[in-house]
Amino acid sequence: GENVEQHPSTLSVQEGDSAVIKCTYSDSASNYFPWYKQELGKRPQLIIDIRSNVGEKKDQRIAVTLNKTAKHFSLHITETQPEDSAVYFCAASISAGGGNKLTFGTGTQLKVEL
Amino acid sequence: GAVVSQHPSWVICKSGTSVKIECRSLDFQATTMFWYRQFPKQSLMLMATSNEGSKATYEQGVEKDKFLINHASLTLSTLTVTSAHPEDSSFYICSANGGFAEAFFGQGTRLTVV
Repeated sequence: GENVEQHPSTLSVQEGDSAVIKCTYSDSASNYFPWYKQELGKRPQLIIDIRSNVGEKKDQRIAVTLNKTAKHFSLHITETQPEDSAVYFCAASISAGGGNKLTFGTGTQLKVEL
Repeated sequence: GAVVSQHPSWVICKSGTSVKIECRSLDFQATTMFWYRQFPKQSLMLMATSNEGSKATYEQGVEKDKFLINHASLTLSTLTVTSAHPEDSSFYICSANGGFAEAFFGQGTRLTVV
């Protein structure tokens, strides 16, 4: 089955700096890669996703890059703000109509310091 | 986006009793739903895939007789934790896609077994 590795496990940055989180996956058939932000005790919130036919996607301060050959993808957050502090998870799946079985990375605790 | 509602949000039960958690897709039909478990400071781990009108598919290491899943309609899946023990205390969360690539998560259920 799919295996997703995520690094780093914790990340502290100063407000205004950039943050980068990296993930690798094992199953070359995976074609959908979402990133989630999760606050304590709450459901994961989708912040950006990318499909395997695209190499990069950007949404304001957030961007994701995908390297299919190397089987890795990364989340980039620019101009970080204190409210960006949370746990971030990457995931990989084979998107096929009715269901999306997600395999999650181990998570990154991001702390944005003033 | 689509809405998935999960109840209860939290539950405390005595060891040896059973607890039922409901997951409903409110504005779309979901032939497939997924159940995840998340221990403190850990990632979401897929427990099982719930298929409408048929048996659930369990991930390796998940006891199907302990975690009963019923997907009787296109909008409702239930997870029953039978003979719960303190080690079953966790955050349980469901998701559904409704044909979209994006997964929509329920609010999650915090189960505490005392």
